[in-house]
Amino acid sequence: DQQVKQNSPSLSVQEGRISILNCDYTNSMFDYFLWYKKYPAEGPTFLISISSIKDKNEDGRFTVFLNKSAKHLSLHIVPSQPGDSAVYFCAASAPGGAQKLVFGQGTRLTINP
Amino acid sequence: DGGITQSPKYLFRKEGQNVTLSCEQNLNHDAMYWYRQDPGQGLRLIYYSQIVNDFQKGDIAEGYSVSREKKESFPLTVTSAQKNPTAFYLCASSIGTFPDQPQHFGDGTRLSIL
Repeated sequence: DQQVKQNSPSLSVQEGRISILNCDYTNSMFDYFLWYKKYPAEGPTFLISISSIKDKNEDGRFTVFLNKSAKHLSLHIVPSQPGDSAVYFCAASAPGGAQKLVFGQGTRLTINP
Repeated sequence: DGGITQSPKYLFRKEGQNVTLSCEQNLNHDAMYWYRQDPGQGLRLIYYSQIVNDFQKGDIAEGYSVSREKKESFPLTVTSAQKNPTAFYLCASSIGTFPDQPQHFGDGTRLSIL
């Protein structure tokens, strides 16, 4: 039972344009959402997060949007740069005192020059 | 430089042997985690530890064991009971277990069973 889904395995975007990565979840108990970025042969690195009490969080070129009624979140990268080429994972956690993250399958983003 | 060190990067073992993956952190983090990643899938939680001498099963703990005798160290043993151990294993740590304290990851160990 996949509680967090990233339905697009890959995405290709022109340098300078906007990249939009999507994530859907099924568990309404999730109250915190995170995006991680992963380069080959490295561990994921934290990018940005959002609490369920917000609908938007921005950090530089990265913005995460949360639509609780649709159980959907998205990551916007503007403008996209070649160094953004990586696999992006969304993750979610539910309240309970332990940070038990549930990850999506990942989306491979390729930024073309 | 503070960080999480996983060793070795690649590990080969014969079927039926137990193997231990190392994870050390010098970030002074209380919480540590082990994840498994298979091709085309997200990370799945194996075990986690919120504090020294305490650990809990994650979603896929069968065939694995851990210990947390020191704050800095959280080794994972893949036992012969694990049916399909070939995978990429990632260790992570966080200051605490509040959701706004993001997990930091090591670079992983790729385990292959021959």
